[in-house]
Amino acid sequence: EVQLVESGGGLVQPGGSLRLSCAASGFTFSSYWMYWVRQTPEKGLVWVSRINNDGGSTSYADSVKGRFTISRDNAKNTLYLQMNSLRAEDTAVYYCVRKYMAADYWGQGTLVTVSS
Amino acid sequence: EIVLTQSPGTLSLSPGERVTLSCRASQSVGGYLAWYQQKPGQAPRLLIYGASSRATGIPDRFSGSGSGTDFTLTISRLEPEDFAVYYCHQYGSSPPYTFGQGTKVEIK
Repeated sequence: EVQLVESGGGLVQPGGSLRLSCAASGFTFSSYWMYWVRQTPEKGLVWVSRINNDGGSTSYADSVKGRFTISRDNAKNTLYLQMNSLRAEDTAVYYCVRKYMAADYWGQGTLVTVSS
Repeated sequence: EIVLTQSPGTLSLSPGERVTLSCRASQSVGGYLAWYQQKPGQAPRLLIYGASSRATGIPDRFSGSGSGTDFTLTISRLEPEDFAVYYCHQYGSSPPYTFGQGTKVEIK
């Protein structure tokens, strides 16, 4: 069974940093591209970042470019999102998502709240 | 950035009815269009990918059609568990990969 379990969310002050992790199991992690997607009631679902299967290619939404870094450790079956210079508008539930054909499996999400 | 516009925003229907949801793209996405269902407190679940292919385990009352800029998700006969929010998503060759704003299917 495919499982994606996010962790690392929480309350952080504006300008602060957080690192999200996503532990993957039930599939050959190193064979799949992965996404991070975030969701708020106001903006809905927003794609944040993508990484290819070996970590050699990444892409970012303009809103996070230069502040967020996606990475992966295929030996540990883990996806990461390093988030720096956090802003109030980064407050959201962050989902780790497997990319196959489309975004086919989603984690349960982790809440990030940026507030003073 | 490709903008996806879903219509209508909300549908009020009864179990057993047929549902047709629309997703229009601001430019062609080819066939790289997916549909998701989301219930409160849950992550989105993939229903349809490639505009018309059902994901694993999805009942055949769900079907997708379209190409280019106009897409449709049809639920042939609403079951009680189908009341949810539905999103379309384009995942073409170049990011950013975008989502529609969602259509809520609620019980009438």
